[in-house]
Amino acid sequence: GAVVSQHPSRVICKSGTSVKIECRSLDFQATTMFWYRQFPKQSLMLMATSNEGSKATYEQGVEKDKFLINHASLTLSTLTVTSAHPEDSSFYICSAQPGLAGNNQETQYFGPGTRLLVL
Amino acid sequence: QKEVEQDPGPLSVPEGAIVSLNCTYSNSAFQYFMWYRQYSRKGPELLMYTYSSGNKEDGRFTAQVDKSSKYISLFIRDSQPSDSATYLCAIAPWAGGTSYGKLTFGQGTILTVHP
Repeated sequence: GAVVSQHPSRVICKSGTSVKIECRSLDFQATTMFWYRQFPKQSLMLMATSNEGSKATYEQGVEKDKFLINHASLTLSTLTVTSAHPEDSSFYICSAQPGLAGNNQETQYFGPGTRLLVL
Repeated sequence: QKEVEQDPGPLSVPEGAIVSLNCTYSNSAFQYFMWYRQYSRKGPELLMYTYSSGNKEDGRFTAQVDKSSKYISLFIRDSQPSDSATYLCAIAPWAGGTSYGKLTFGQGTILTVHP
């Protein structure tokens, strides 16, 4: 149980284009999803918190107009990198939190990540 | 000062060795402690979580928390080549029964277990 998928697993795009990344919780409903970015040999950095049906909360220094997040349902959140540039190349990872009462209420289950390369 | 400090290694041990992975943190508001394992080019996988000082065991893994020293550890007994991965500590505040999802990750320790 508690499987999170991401699509695509990797994407290469030209500078200036937009890229959409999907994050799905496959066997549970996620009231909250998170988006992280991980540069090579560095740790995960939280970009934003997304609650179903409401606007995402962005961490300091993350441009909300550049990284558009939509959490349209309890099993799907999308991250769109708009007008991507080479410096946006990174490993983007989502996580989902079940949000049910119980010991695992706070547990975040991570997707496999999406590797973005902007040329 | 970083909120969470973790020795990036790399750490290389022979099969069967006991591995000790450590993190220190600076903010006493952190009350929720986790260890994740991340294989190359994959998302992190939760290994263990705890809220309390002391030890918590799960098979070959033991998580240890010392809140007075702001120090957490993960011990791996009888290490296997399949344990080779990057291990990340993650810490979060805890208030009102929630962490608000605010995980702060350590840099990660790269572990290699030789056959």
